[in-house]
Amino acid sequence: EAGVTQSPTHLIKTRGQQVTLRCSPISGHTSVYWYQQALGLGLQFLLWYDEGEERNRGNFPPRFSGRQFPNYSSELNVNALELEDSALYLCASSLVRGQLTDTQYFGPGTRLTVL
Amino acid sequence: GDSVTQMEGPVTLSEEAFLTINCTYTATGYPSLFWYVQYPGEGLQLLLKATKADDKGSNKGFEATYRKETTSFHLEKGSVQVSDSAVYFCALSASDSGGYQKVTFGTGTKLQVIP
Repeated sequence: EAGVTQSPTHLIKTRGQQVTLRCSPISGHTSVYWYQQALGLGLQFLLWYDEGEERNRGNFPPRFSGRQFPNYSSELNVNALELEDSALYLCASSLVRGQLTDTQYFGPGTRLTVL
Repeated sequence: GDSVTQMEGPVTLSEEAFLTINCTYTATGYPSLFWYVQYPGEGLQLLLKATKADDKGSNKGFEATYRKETTSFHLEKGSVQVSDSAVYFCALSASDSGGYQKVTFGTGTKLQVIP
């Protein structure tokens, strides 16, 4: 069974640009989560999508947005990039919608560098 | 809001030493608790979890017990190996004010095991 996949692996952008990151969940998983892992800050929850809808959002500005497609894959868009957006962006998927006991399965991440 | 506090790293141990990584949490209700591990250059993997008080999660020689009275979920291993070198994240899953699941991660503890 294929795991969570993310693309691209690495990205280098400049301030003010826009970026789109992509995630494909494990087959059969309907929930997709996005996290930002900045150096020294651990994982910060960004967004949760389930069944095509945004279900929850972390404490990030509106320039962080995304969507989930009918095949449950997801995109994370970041507009007007700032230097502090440089981080590893992790996507995770889970099988059961919103269950506290459910395990999230993580992809390898996309490393974004903003110059 | 919910929070997870882990001991500061890095933790450096010799091979076959005993490992403890402390984790305490604050949450309303009855969260599920998780330990994830991130090996160099990879995404996060679930190491173990516990979903109710006094449950013990275990995997690959690692153990952690859900202690509601002390709001703790300390990770232990009796004899570490060089291959255990990684960053370990403690996390909790709880319902937010809207009734949706939200996962909160600690900042991670880097473990270095030397031969």
